[in-house]
Amino acid sequence: DQQVKQNSPSLSVQEGRISILNCDYTNSMFDYFLWYKKYPAEGPTFLISISSIKDKNEDGRFTVFLNKSAKHLSLHIVPSQPGDSAVYFCAASLKNRDDKIIFGKGTRLHILP
Amino acid sequence: ETGVTQTPRHLVMGMTNKKSLKCEQHLGHNAMYWYKQSAKKPLELMFVYNFKEQTENNSVPSRFSPECPNSSHLFLHLHTLQPEDSALYLCASSQANRADTQYFGPGTRLTVL
Repeated sequence: DQQVKQNSPSLSVQEGRISILNCDYTNSMFDYFLWYKKYPAEGPTFLISISSIKDKNEDGRFTVFLNKSAKHLSLHIVPSQPGDSAVYFCAASLKNRDDKIIFGKGTRLHILP
Repeated sequence: ETGVTQTPRHLVMGMTNKKSLKCEQHLGHNAMYWYKQSAKKPLELMFVYNFKEQTENNSVPSRFSPECPNSSHLFLHLHTLQPEDSALYLCASSQANRADTQYFGPGTRLTVL
């Protein structure tokens, strides 16, 4: 049973507009959440994270929102750029298990010209 | 070489072959990981090593045998694999017990015939 769910396999967004990638989780013991970005033929790279004590974290064009009551987080990219086309993985780690991260299936983002 | 490197990048093997995947990190980390990425599935954690000691074995079949001779090198020995083992195998390294600081290698694309 998946504990981290990314229900949209793919998403297409016009360049310059906002991209919103969603992620749901089932385990209330998760206390740290991460987003990774992956280009073809490369490994995933860390993008942004958020602790469960916060509801928002911003880094340049990237903002992650956390809604603990809904067990939902989202990644906003604004404005979207062609180089943002990639697969985005949502991931989470458990309290007191910093050595393990659980990933979702990923969402492929296409930025349209 | 910098970061995390993996060799070979592509591997095709028969079900009776024995082969090994190699991972090397040049980041001074003390933890190393093997992940499996199959099509339309989440990234699955297979093994974790901290300071050369295995700290996680995620119910991986014995036909996959990891080896961590030192903190910079990680191997995955493969024997009598099945076609369903075809996947992208990703190595990562991090600070000890800090999976949130992981850096990933580019992966080995494995095809089992």
